[in-house]
Amino acid sequence: DAKTTQPTSMDCAEGRAANLPCNHSTISGNEYVYWYRQIHSQGPQYIIHGLKNNETNEMASLIITEDRKSSTLILPHATLRDTAVYYCIVRAYNNNDMRFGAGTRLTVKP
Amino acid sequence: DAGVTQSPTHLIKTRGQQVTLRCSPKSGHDTVSWYQQALGQGPQFIFQYYEEEERQRGNFPDRFSGHQFPNYSSELNVNALLLGDSALYLCASSYDGQGDGYTFGSGTRLTVV
Repeated sequence: DAKTTQPTSMDCAEGRAANLPCNHSTISGNEYVYWYRQIHSQGPQYIIHGLKNNETNEMASLIITEDRKSSTLILPHATLRDTAVYYCIVRAYNNNDMRFGAGTRLTVKP
Repeated sequence: DAGVTQSPTHLIKTRGQQVTLRCSPKSGHDTVSWYQQALGQGPQFIFQYYEEEERQRGNFPDRFSGHQFPNYSSELNVNALLLGDSALYLCASSYDGQGDGYTFGSGTRLTVV
């Protein structure tokens, strides 16, 4: 699976959009981009995934660049409960080894 | 609808001992993956079980073994515990053939002293 690069930490004001970047320059054509988050003392929570088109669900939006070498997770109206570590993962759909990096620690401030 | 259930939540063991951790997958899921998460790091893939067999394995020694039962629940066994095995052990379930997100349990916190 392709390796990802994320900033170590980010801050966001409550009510504002949080934009979390991820670089995956070596992504292969059959690899999807997945996002998970982990709130302190809990297991990771699935957020969203996509292949090449932008995706949106009730939690977030995923924007993937046309060359697929980077993506951005957008939380449109961040709340204090969105404070967590956010992981960007790329993996082939049929690869069972989902590899987590260190992630981005997002802190939402009042 | 119950999610992924792991037991116990916390455990303290002595070096050299053996430990068994348990996981019940989310209803409708048939695949179980195990992860180890050391403090301050991301989860590391140990192995995955499907149809009662180990389907894929990460870079972990043979001291780590597992089992899946006909009801899809799973156990993780670690023999000859080392201090470095202290970590949060996470179980994730999924439905085979779907690349959608895994559902994780809250984990078992293992401390080896």
